[in-house]
Amino acid sequence: GAGVSQTPSNKVTEKGKYVELRCDPISGHTALYWYRQSLGQGPEFLIYFQGTGAADDSGLPNDRFFAVRPEGSVSTLKIQRTERGDSAVYLCASSSAGKGSSYNEQFFGPGTRLTVL
Amino acid sequence: QKEVEQNSGPLSVPEGAIASLNCTYSDRGSQSFFWYRQYSGKSPELIMSIYSNGDKEDGRFTAQLNKASQYVSLLIRDSQPSDSATYLCAVNPLRNKLTFGTGTQLKVEL
Repeated sequence: GAGVSQTPSNKVTEKGKYVELRCDPISGHTALYWYRQSLGQGPEFLIYFQGTGAADDSGLPNDRFFAVRPEGSVSTLKIQRTERGDSAVYLCASSSAGKGSSYNEQFFGPGTRLTVL
Repeated sequence: QKEVEQNSGPLSVPEGAIASLNCTYSDRGSQSFFWYRQYSGKSPELIMSIYSNGDKEDGRFTAQLNKASQYVSLLIRDSQPSDSATYLCAVNPLRNKLTFGTGTQLKVEL
């Protein structure tokens, strides 16, 4: 079946603007993750959803970042008052693993490259 | 100490050789371990997962785990130019979220 999809693939915005990044997970996957990857670094965890609720949002850098998953499928990552330091590739991943499972193979989407001018 | 450490490379190997990629982690409670391959400008692709001490083989790839030494490795046999990529080690120290190393760049030379 289809993999994880993310839109847009690229987003250029100006400092101070609001952006929304969308993720559509693999069908049937209950777990959804957002990561952020800067050049030369590995992905950095932001937030994890199990179903509709955010089970772990400890990676969100500050209160300008917020994510929702209202129906337990598609998720939107929202960034308010964007800053140049927010520029990165934002990756979404999904997994069929239940909460607390160690067997947690995560499959990544193609990412959204965010550039804040 | 970083939670997951990898040599950034680049690691250069000739075509047909065995490439050996290494990773150490700090959290002894980690339960699951993954290797992702990432081509330049692309997203990470899961290639191996391992949960128990020992070796796990899948085609040309072998993952090795030693929890006592907090060490996980990836061997790629018969390396091909198409294997040239960055290999990310990921560890599951807390349930459900992954912690990644910075990746090792592998170059397979003709």
